Amino acid sequence: EIVLTQSPGTLSLSPGERATLSCRASQSVSSSYLAWYQQKPGQAPRLLIYGASSRATGIPDRFSGSGSGTDFTLTISRLEPEDFAVYYCQQYGSSPQMYTFGQGTKLEIK
Amino acid sequence: EVQLVQSGAEVKKPGESLKISCKGSGYSFTSYWIGWVRQMPGKGLEWMGIIYPGDSDTRYSPSFQGQVTISADKSISTAYLQWSSLKASDTAMYYCARLITMIVGDAFDIWGQGTMVTVSS
Repeated sequence: EIVLTQSPGTLSLSPGERATLSCRASQSVSSSYLAWYQQKPGQAPRLLIYGASSRATGIPDRFSGSGSGTDFTLTISRLEPEDFAVYYCQQYGSSPQMYTFGQGTKLEIK
Repeated sequence: EVQLVQSGAEVKKPGESLKISCKGSGYSFTSYWIGWVRQMPGKGLEWMGIIYPGDSDTRYSPSFQGQVTISADKSISTAYLQWSSLKASDTAMYYCARLITMIVGDAFDIWGQGTMVTVSS
């Protein structure tokens, strides 16, 4: 079973700064099956990135995903006030079929 | 509009049974997998299992196998998550989500609003 480890646990930044969030897998993951989600307090998660680097519909281009193998990154180029939230990475494994989430990174206003 | 609408909050006692629902609309319900995700208070997301309403093919996370049952009624475009005997540790928010399969990857693109389940004596 693949384990996803996100870092840092909490990231404190100011609006306008660049955010870099990491997701590391315990074994190699197909890029096709790595997604990122954003969750704000009291809301359901929202899909941001799928296939490691493709933005979901309606997601601003300040959000970008990259990586392959065991190391993946979500980058927010210039933070807006509405970007402060918790971010989760998630991967799909086929044997057995599993959709594992990382533990999350909280992005908070500095 | 594509959406998943979940049933309302529940307050139950330990040992009671419960079935919560997730109704899809605005798309072909039988053509997409529906997953269930648990979020305990103040904690992260945990994938519980997934069902294909077209033929009710169901897969469970090992952590939840035997603890819950996932089902679907395609005639009314609704998926279900049920417990036969609730425990206090089942207290959590439960989300359903649609799995979209694309050339470049799979992801949960549409989420329900969540159903809060509270189990307390």
